[in-house]
Formats: sequence, C-alpha cells, structure tokens
Amino acid sequence: QLQLLESGPGLVKPSETLSLTCTVAGDSISTGGYYWGWIRQPPGKGLEWIGSIYYNGNTYYNPSLKSRVTISVDTSKNQFSLKLSSVTAADTAVYFCARLTIAFGGVVENWGQGTLVTVSS
Amino acid sequence: DIQMTQSPSTLSASVGDRVTITCRASQSISSWLAWYQQKPGRAPKLLIYKVSSLESGVPSRFSGGGSGTEFTLTISSLQPDDFATYYCQQYNSFSPSWTFGQGTKVEIK
Repeated sequence: QLQLLESGPGLVKPSETLSLTCTVAGDSISTGGYYWGWIRQPPGKGLEWIGSIYYNGNTYYNPSLKSRVTISVDTSKNQFSLKLSSVTAADTAVYFCARLTIAFGGVVENWGQGTLVTVSS
Repeated sequence: DIQMTQSPSTLSASVGDRVTITCRASQSISSWLAWYQQKPGRAPKLLIYKVSSLESGVPSRFSGGGSGTEFTLTISSLQPDDFATYYCQQYNSFSPSWTFGQGTKVEIK
C-alpha cells in the first residue's frame, strides 16, 4: 500500500525558504505513469496546486508561484522535495504531497497526511 | 490560465436530499475533470475522475456529468457521512497544470 509522508520544519520565518520532503513507501518513485506533486491549503481555505514532477525530473509549476518554487526528485532515496522561497504569512498552509495518476487525468488517488507550515517571526 | 468556479459555495441540505454541485471552467476543457470530498483535518478523497467515472469504493449515490465548460457532481440521496466540502479539479494534459475549484461546503440543514 502506497504511503506518502511529508517532513520538514513547521515554522518558517518571513523572507526565508520553506523546505519540505515527501518520502514515498510502498512503490518506487521511478514507476512510470505518475506525477509526484505538492498541493497546499491555507487554514479555512481551498486547495491550491503548487507543482508536480515526473521521475525523470520534468517539472510543472503553478504560474502564480513559479518564480519562487523548486521541486526536485531523489530516486535513490524514493523522495521528492519542495522549496518555496521568500515566504510570507500568505504561505501559511497545510502542505500535502501527492501521487497524481496520469492515466486518470492527473487525479490524486494518494495523498500524504499533510503538514502545517506556519510563516511567522 | 483556466479558472474553475464552483456553485454554490455553501449548500444546506437534509439527509435523503438530492444535491447537485456545479463547476464551471473559464474555457472549454477536456474530460479531465475530477471531484474530491474533504472532511475537516483530513486529506481530500477522490470521488469521480474523467467527468463521470466513479473511483473504486465510492458509493453509487455519487455521480458526475457535464462537458465543455459546465460540470456537475450529484449526490442522489444525501447520507450523514456526506456532509463535507467538495472540490472540482481540472487537468490540462497539453502543458501539465492542475486547477481546483474554490470548494462547496455541504452542511446540515
């Protein structure tokens, strides 16, 4: 059974870089047919797609965040990571990592539990 | 960029009611339209993919439909477990990108 586990600091200072890692268990991140992505949800608000990566390193980012986002993959560790630079309070959110199934239209069948990241000094 | 707009934002209904949520795209989209259910403190759960295909294990009272720019999620007979927030999501396969609707909260009337 596939499991996704987010890890990283729960508190980040304004203007600094938010860094999260998603560890994948139960399947190889190099399995074709899936994107690996990050989705966030500010407290009390809706879902926002941040970006996705294919195992070969091809990346796709939300245009509204593209200038600040970097997603990378480490197939040797079966992990993928998110970096969001120059954060502000508006970046406070629960961050989910996810596996997106290409054959079904990029849907998220598998989600991490989510991790709350608060941006505050 | 394609925008997805859901209506209503909040829906008050009773157990047994037939409920329909609408998702409108800012331009015609392919059939890559999905629906998710989210309960407080939990990750979303996939209900419907490719407009009308039911995810395995999802009750048949959920159904999806539509085409072009207007899509619907219908719950034929609302059950107590269905009170939650629902999101639509579109996927652009040509230049991979994903967009969610803003959500519809289904609450008890």
